[in-house]
Amino acid sequence: NAGVTQTPKFQVLKTGQSMTLQCAQDMNHNSMYWYRQDPGMGLRLIYYSASEGTTDKGEVPNGYNVSRLNKREFSLRLESAAPSQTSVYFCASTTNRYNEQFFGPGTRLTVL
Amino acid sequence: GENVEQHPSTLSVQEGDSAVIKCTYSDSASNYFPWYKQELGKRPQLIIDIRSNVGEKKDQRIAVTLNKTAKHFSLHITETQPEDSAVYFCAAPDGGDWGKLQFGAGTQVVVTP
Repeated sequence: NAGVTQTPKFQVLKTGQSMTLQCAQDMNHNSMYWYRQDPGMGLRLIYYSASEGTTDKGEVPNGYNVSRLNKREFSLRLESAAPSQTSVYFCASTTNRYNEQFFGPGTRLTVL
Repeated sequence: GENVEQHPSTLSVQEGDSAVIKCTYSDSASNYFPWYKQELGKRPQLIIDIRSNVGEKKDQRIAVTLNKTAKHFSLHITETQPEDSAVYFCAAPDGGDWGKLQFGAGTQVVVTP
């Protein structure tokens, strides 16, 4: 079991460029999440998908879009990157509510 | 939505001493409170959680206590060791049925030998 995987590990973008962060899990989990982590601010939810075919906004969705491609994969897209989106991005998954969320290794994104 | 506050933001302890981190929450309907540990450069990992039907849960050197009346819960680490150095996050459900969590801002714990 690979658990939760993310690509890429690191990325540098220029302001205005677009990119997609990929996330996949092999644990047959129903729910998947995208968080961003900034110093002193904990983990903030960007978008989540309670089950295949559904997505919804979290605390900080502006500037992002998501796609739940199938049960395994949940991608995060930045259409026009801004320096304020410089952060570490974590994907997570869980089988159902009130169970452990398993996190991916993270993507460190820098927007110049 | 849920609001989770975590204190202190940094905590320095001598090896062998105890560490306590406290979180408060706002939604009285919340009933699940996990704690995650994140070592430097690594992903967060669940270390312990508690549901609202119990007041305390222990797992070796770590324990979590819950006071639903006061709406706060705490993480206790006894006999701290250098490998306990990490950032610890508390969390509480942010409404709904889909397991959405609101995380605290984190506590940087440094254990000095």
